[in-house]
Amino acid sequence: GQNIDQPTEMTATEGAIVQINCTYQTSGFNGLFWYQQHAGEAPTFLSYNVLDGLEEKGRFSSFLSRSKGYSYLLLKELQMKDSASYLCAVPTSGTYKYIFGTGTRLKVLA
Amino acid sequence: GAGVSQSPSNKVTEKGKDVELRCDPISGHTALYWYRQSLGQGLEFLIYFQGNSAPDKSGLPSDRFSAERTGGSVSTLTIQRTQQEDSAVYLCASSLFSTAGLAGGSRTDTQYFGPGTRLTVL
Repeated sequence: GQNIDQPTEMTATEGAIVQINCTYQTSGFNGLFWYQQHAGEAPTFLSYNVLDGLEEKGRFSSFLSRSKGYSYLLLKELQMKDSASYLCAVPTSGTYKYIFGTGTRLKVLA
Repeated sequence: GAGVSQSPSNKVTEKGKDVELRCDPISGHTALYWYRQSLGQGLEFLIYFQGNSAPDKSGLPSDRFSAERTGGSVSTLTIQRTQQEDSAVYLCASSLFSTAGLAGGSRTDTQYFGPGTRLTVL
């Protein structure tokens, strides 16, 4: 079947680094998306990984290993505004839809 | 340019009533998705439209739910005889198109979400 696992909740301190993991089982897979969702708001696009390895974009980096079915989002120099849920999403095989993880709720403390 | 818009932003209805939720996708986006999100939960896929292809209705939870997309643009999600368990935020998203099933996904599959409709069934 197709499944995505993410930790439910994480807590980190302002200025620190945090890594949010995502493991998935799917086939016919080309790339993985990360979205950020602030409480009460809609998800917004963060990153897309199609190649194995680390992609850096400012304070946020995303890593993908397709052979291991594993991705992580790395957030550096955490700010209070980074408190949000982070969802990973992968395409399903044989359909045009994406499945989303349940999201990791990140709390950044002062 | 304009993003995805949804209306109404909030809807309170009585159990047993029908409701219609509207989504205006980004102009030129051929793919449109409806999701449901209950408090503290992830996104539950409901239905997907792409161009003139037959929609993927595999996520609709019951036959009380239906959706249409007119002229490849605006979409309406209808819930008949609402139940309390239908209370949730209904999110609409559009993307340029979706290559998920055909080519395993691409950056053009990036979904842009509307602000959602918060539905409360009393």
